[in-house]
Amino acid sequence: SYVLTQSPSVSVAPGQTATIPCEGDNIGLKSVHWYQHRSRQAPVLVVHDDNDRPSGIPERFSGSNSGNMATLTLTRVEPGDEADYYCQVWVGGSDQWVFGGGTKLTVL
Amino acid sequence: QVQLQESGPGLVKPSETLSLTCRVSGDSINNGYYWGWIRQPPGKGLEWVGNIYHSEKTEHTYYNTSLKSRVTISVDTSQNQFSLKLTSVTAADSAVYYCAAGTRNNWFGPWGQGTLVTVSS
Repeated sequence: SYVLTQSPSVSVAPGQTATIPCEGDNIGLKSVHWYQHRSRQAPVLVVHDDNDRPSGIPERFSGSNSGNMATLTLTRVEPGDEADYYCQVWVGGSDQWVFGGGTKLTVL
Repeated sequence: QVQLQESGPGLVKPSETLSLTCRVSGDSINNGYYWGWIRQPPGKGLEWVGNIYHSEKTEHTYYNTSLKSRVTISVDTSQNQFSLKLTSVTAADSAVYYCAAGTRNNWFGPWGQGTLVTVSS
């Protein structure tokens, strides 16, 4: 089965840039989607198809995907960005939707 | 804008069947979405449970391989809602269960607020 690996935690100071990696075998050949999950709230899609933002998501959120690594980048981090972030792909051969284990972003 | 709301029992006994419903508003359940269930056990990450693709012409279900023998997802067009049934539950099935609207590009959004289900006697 296809596995997505994420670092458990990332810490960053306000105003700095946070990078959240998501590792998977040849993930660059797949479309990667990212979700923000604040405590006790519904997850929210922040990036889809590697680097597209849904309407209402700030330009501070961006993504990249190549080789075995996809990355979510948050620039000018704000306290309100503190949340768990999950990457997700669809595995076409087996029709499985797979989530990474999640990364907890802490704003210092 | 599609909105989703989960409902169902918050407590289920071991070996029994977990049943949840997701009511859809703001769009027809027939409009070709991949209606999905995703769960989050306490202290753990998100786990995809399954999807149902439903349109006026066709319907397909997709289940997490690890749960496939116990999961059924179905649509009730008269109520504009879809449902999840998970049989033979154990404590490992305790989780917050989210329903979500999936797209042809295979991402989910929006999501319901989630409902906590605890498996305990």
